[in-house]
Amino acid sequence: QSALTQPASVSGSPGQSITISCTGTSSDVGGYDYVSWYQQHPGKAPKLMIYDVSNRPSGVSNRFSGSKSGNTASLTISGLQAEDEADYYCTSYTSSFSYVFGTGTKVTVL
Amino acid sequence: QVQLVESGGGVVQPGRSLRLSCAASGISFSNYAMHWVRQAPGKGLEWVSVISYDGNIKNYADSVKGRFTISRDNSKNTLYLQMNSLRPEDTAVYFCARDHSGGGCDYWGQGTLVTVSS
Repeated sequence: QSALTQPASVSGSPGQSITISCTGTSSDVGGYDYVSWYQQHPGKAPKLMIYDVSNRPSGVSNRFSGSKSGNTASLTISGLQAEDEADYYCTSYTSSFSYVFGTGTKVTVL
Repeated sequence: QVQLVESGGGVVQPGRSLRLSCAASGISFSNYAMHWVRQAPGKGLEWVSVISYDGNIKNYADSVKGRFTISRDNSKNTLYLQMNSLRPEDTAVYFCARDHSGGGCDYWGQGTLVTVSS
């Protein structure tokens, strides 16, 4: 159950687009369309931003989008805003009703 | 009001036990799988355990397998995590969360802090 690999940090200016990658293996990210993304502000509980690779829960801005290619999933934030500054985590179903989180990415809005 | 509320955290000595609870209100509980996720101070999220909607299927992270037990009481809309043989590395904020789909959790509790220290 090794953690999925995410970049430690990603930054961008307001209005720009950024993409966070989440790399796993064929046993997790590549094997199932069950990748989710969470946003977490300091001291707060995580918030679901994307589920099942590319689906947005009700109430989540359409500036957030998800995709997957092979063993790598991606979260794109377009029109970056100050409020998007937070930590982001991916998670994937692995097998036999098991799950794994990514290492986490700190997004900084310059 | 929609909420998940964890309780039962605290300071405990290594080797001792603790039971966490997660009470659901304002949301459907019995039709959904539930997870426990933890976050050590200053660290990332770590998946701990999952239980199916009916309690028949359970699974655990390797780091807690054999020491932690997840359970639920759908008549009380409550999720539990029995933690035995606690270690200092189990120190973390423990969150409960409802599985919307494939591990994507749409509702989370505020977390309860467990500190394992002598």
